[in-house]
This record gives sequence, C-alpha cells and structure tokens, in this order.
Amino acid sequence: AQKVTQAQTEISVVEKEDVTLDCVYETRDTTYYLFWYKQPPSGELVFLIRRNSFDEQNEISGRYSWNFQKSTSSFNFTITASQVVDSAVYFCALSNAGKSTFGDGTTLTVKP
Amino acid sequence: ETGVTQTPRHLVMGMTNKKSLKCEQHLGHNAMYWYKQSAKKPLELMFVYNFKEQTENNSVPSRFSPECPNSSHLFLHLHTLQPEDSALYLCASSPRVEDSGFYEQYFGPGTRLTVT
Repeated sequence: AQKVTQAQTEISVVEKEDVTLDCVYETRDTTYYLFWYKQPPSGELVFLIRRNSFDEQNEISGRYSWNFQKSTSSFNFTITASQVVDSAVYFCALSNAGKSTFGDGTTLTVKP
Repeated sequence: ETGVTQTPRHLVMGMTNKKSLKCEQHLGHNAMYWYKQSAKKPLELMFVYNFKEQTENNSVPSRFSPECPNSSHLFLHLHTLQPEDSALYLCASSPRVEDSGFYEQYFGPGTRLTVT
C-alpha cells in the first residue's frame, strides 16, 4: 500500500513571503515517482514537476523549488516571494506499479 | 483544440435522471482516468483505462458506469445518483499506464455535478 500525506490543509501568507508545502509519502517499492500538481480556481490540475526515486537532486524553476529527501520520505515544495497568482490547491502524488496516489492537497492563499 | 476537454462543465440532475459526462483528449495518449473531487475526499480515483481496457475500478458504486470506446474518448454514465455524489468529476490522460508510474497526468477542467 502507498500513502501520501500533506499535513497542511490550508496556508495563508502575504505576498512576497516564502512558503513551503510539505509532502510525506509511504511506499514499499524502491522505484517510484513523485509529482506536484497545482489546481487553480478554474479546476484543472496542472503538472508542475516529476522526480524519480533515484534522483535526490533538488530542483529550482524560477520561484519554485523542490526538496526531495529519501531518508525522511519527504518531497517538499517551496515558493519564494509568493504572488497572488500562486493561490491554488497544491497536490503531491506518488506513482508506481501503475497506480497513482494523491495527497489531500494544501490550499494556499496569498494575500496582497 | 488541444489538451483534455470535458463536457458539460456544469450539470444539475435529479436522483432519477440519467446523464453522461464526456471527456476527450487530443494528446495522443492511451490511458484515461476518472477522478471524483469533493470536500470530504479531495481526490478519489474512480476508474482507469489503458488502451481502451479498464484496468482499475476503485470500488465505485454501479450507479457510475464508465465507457471508453477509443483511446481519445471517455464517458461516465450516471443513473439514480444520490446527493452525496455531488462533486467535481475530473478526467485525466497520460501516455499509458505502466509499472514504473513514470508519466504525469494531464487533467481536464472538470464537470461540476449537483444532484438534487
């Protein structure tokens, strides 16, 4: 069985603050993939990043960065200098053995 | 048109009605998925089709009936629904379903269903 936990249900920050969204996962498999998706108010989930279980390099894309730590089974997502347009629900997901498991999501509100 | 489209975007139906949700993907993918998103359980996988064959039914009640006539189209037929079935129904696609889980999914905008 696999499980994804996003302990933060809701986060509210003021624009330009940095914010980190936590994701902790459980799996018995050695090969798996981790994902982050963004769901803006329009409803459509948008893929942000994929990381495989053998690649623990952190990644930075503009204001977004991801920290993958296999030792703690975590795949955290940081937004630097947040903007109002970052307001959305963010989902972490784990995929392997042909099955994807999503966390419950974290609702991020960025206030001007 | 590109990406994953879903129609209708909003649907209100009575408990005795029969309706269908439609999903179409223009990405050349071979796997398609139905998810239910509600306040109580944010994202629940319902069905998975891989090369038109159903590979997963996540204990979904029989009042939901999926159909995948080809790799580009996916339907969800609804009948005698309950008010608790009110939710956002999301369709997604990916190149295929395979063991490693490599592929990300591409989602449609969803159908907001209200059962009265």
